[in-house]
Amino acid sequence: QKEVEQDPGPLSVPEGAIVSLNCTYSNSAFQYFMWYRQYSRKGPELLMYTYSSGNKEDGRFTAQVDKSSKYISLFIRDSQPSDSATYLCAMKDDYKLSFGAGTTVTVRA
Amino acid sequence: NAGVMQNPRHLVRRRGQEARLRCSPMKGHSHVYWYRQLPEEGLKFMVYLQKENIIDESGMPKERFSAEFPKEGPSILRIQQVVRGDSAAYFCASSATVNTEAFFGQGTRLTVV
Repeated sequence: QKEVEQDPGPLSVPEGAIVSLNCTYSNSAFQYFMWYRQYSRKGPELLMYTYSSGNKEDGRFTAQVDKSSKYISLFIRDSQPSDSATYLCAMKDDYKLSFGAGTTVTVRA
Repeated sequence: NAGVMQNPRHLVRRRGQEARLRCSPMKGHSHVYWYRQLPEEGLKFMVYLQKENIIDESGMPKERFSAEFPKEGPSILRIQQVVRGDSAAYFCASSATVNTEAFFGQGTRLTVV
């Protein structure tokens, strides 16, 4: 069993739809949870960084963490074609990030 | 404020040659991490360094790979006697402290021919 599981998709949605992404994990020691966006042939760009269970909102992005279920989510509201990318969940207990495989999202104009 | 800078962006080496990948962390960051991304695979941790110290190199192959972060200058990931299987994207990240956000560079894409 992988330490971090993420549905690879691909996911295709129309412009304006809500994109829902999620990851599950097995290591209960993970304390910090992140979402990165990666465009083709570019580096991962940090979108959200959370520590505790609950919701965190930043513009059109909302991150949810449920430590009791070992489940994290990212929601993108009012999706735009520019949101088309691969989204990576990541988590750590100290310094070493463990990544999901990434979900490829396409937002159709 | 410049982000994490990696160079070169693309590197082609013949089998048996050496590859040197450089990473300058964000200003004020003293923690550097190297990750490797193979085609169709996720990002995998290789090594964690602070200035002049290797903290954790558990993800780095024991042979041919080495990393350093000198007092002055960028962090260097060095791959000796490259083989085709070393072809991948290598990403560097940096953070201000061990518990704060890690920001990634644009990566170096190594191709071994």
